[in-house]
Amino acid sequence: EAQVTQNPRYLITVTGKKLTVTCSQNMNHEYMSWYRQDPGLGLRQIYYSMNVEVTDKGDVPEGYKVSRKEKRNFPLILESPSPNQTSLYFCASSFSNYNEQFFGPGTRLTVL
Amino acid sequence: QQQVKQSPQSLIVQKGGISIINCAYENTAFDYFPWYQQFPGKGPALLIAIRPDVSEKKEGRFTISFNKSAKQFSLHIMDSQPGDSATYFCAASGYNFNKFYFGSGTKLNVKP
Repeated sequence: EAQVTQNPRYLITVTGKKLTVTCSQNMNHEYMSWYRQDPGLGLRQIYYSMNVEVTDKGDVPEGYKVSRKEKRNFPLILESPSPNQTSLYFCASSFSNYNEQFFGPGTRLTVL
Repeated sequence: QQQVKQSPQSLIVQKGGISIINCAYENTAFDYFPWYQQFPGKGPALLIAIRPDVSEKKEGRFTISFNKSAKQFSLHIMDSQPGDSATYFCAASGYNFNKFYFGSGTKLNVKP
């Protein structure tokens, strides 16, 4: 089954404790993105990757890191989480930024 | 600067009515305008998309109307059903862009 998986689905952590949210796709997509969803703000792109080893900042990259060492995986790293990073996070993949994006199920992160 | 502005924030429609959601964009270089549908607890999923070489695209009960000169596009849901109750996001990107921009979302409630 073609899908995007994210783990964990739910995470409660404390300020400053490094965490990683994993994302994996099995559709051989080149383009992968991370978004955060906040009420009234819609989805905002954090980082995107055009292909392996090619990543760039989206609109809200501060406090986040990513890497793309393999085509299928695109982890999101919060090295020192802060309460303003409490949000719903989505990973997405597609053949390009002008094709259909397939979204994962989301990760709800709470930073205390 | 917000690249895509969406309205209304919420919408209540009676079953069988027409739901209309509007979006306006800033950058005339955008050439890909999708609409995504999101149900509670799920990731967004592509509903319908349009490119600026046409003024309208219809798929079943869903129609995108596109006005290039006004830099606006809208989603029309004909014969709205309770199962259409969801949050809808417009978005914009294109061949000459790497980023992807979403609107702030419209929560649609179709009353039986």
